[in-house]
Amino acid sequence: EPEVTQTPSHQVTQMGQEVILRCVPISNHLYFYWYRQILGQKVEFLVSFYNNEISEKSEIFDDQFSVERPDGSNFTLKIRSTKLEDSAMYFCASSEYPGQGDLNYGYTFGSGTRLTVV
Amino acid sequence: AQKITQTQPGMFVQEKEAVTLDCTYDTSDQSYGLFWYKQPSSGEMIFLIYQGSYDEQNATEGRYSLNFQKARKSANLVISASQLGDSAMYFCAMRGIISNFGNEKLTFGTGTRLTIIP
Repeated sequence: EPEVTQTPSHQVTQMGQEVILRCVPISNHLYFYWYRQILGQKVEFLVSFYNNEISEKSEIFDDQFSVERPDGSNFTLKIRSTKLEDSAMYFCASSEYPGQGDLNYGYTFGSGTRLTVV
Repeated sequence: AQKITQTQPGMFVQEKEAVTLDCTYDTSDQSYGLFWYKQPSSGEMIFLIYQGSYDEQNATEGRYSLNFQKARKSANLVISASQLGDSAMYFCAMRGIISNFGNEKLTFGTGTRLTIIP
């Protein structure tokens, strides 16, 4: 079964450093997403990406965050200057182009990157 | 705006018993989709089951079924014959109608931690 692959699985970084989280979405999917889950809390939407541009972003996704699809397979989330409160699990997800009346579209999550800012 | 409410922060169930995890939702969209995900202690998000708002039949996937009551805006997950491996966090999530490619995100509830007792 096709998978969304995220690397690394764990990352520890010092406060103020830049981090790049990497994702390889499912190859025929067209929509890409990043979500965040602070330990013990609910999963929160960060950003969605379609046709090489951001289609929606949450209020969490401020100027410290950016996303990029540098080639045909990778999708990255960059945090420019990490803060302690950025410590969380970050999930990448992808989905197919939406059809009429079917809202499942093979929406698939990666296994996450656990980011720890010290 | 969409909202998902899971009122059971934790549940303890005897092995082999059936369990119902509650989920209520609020949306002004006419068309939407409801998802359940399982998150074990390892952290990944595992898709369990999906229900479209226009689906007349309740969704079923093996031991999982979704008790969808549209008028009550509820989408409870039923796990039959629970197993020790079902111990995990369970999240209900919703996705609304696609409009202007800007509404593909999932909105999650706060989750229910299910513990199966041998």
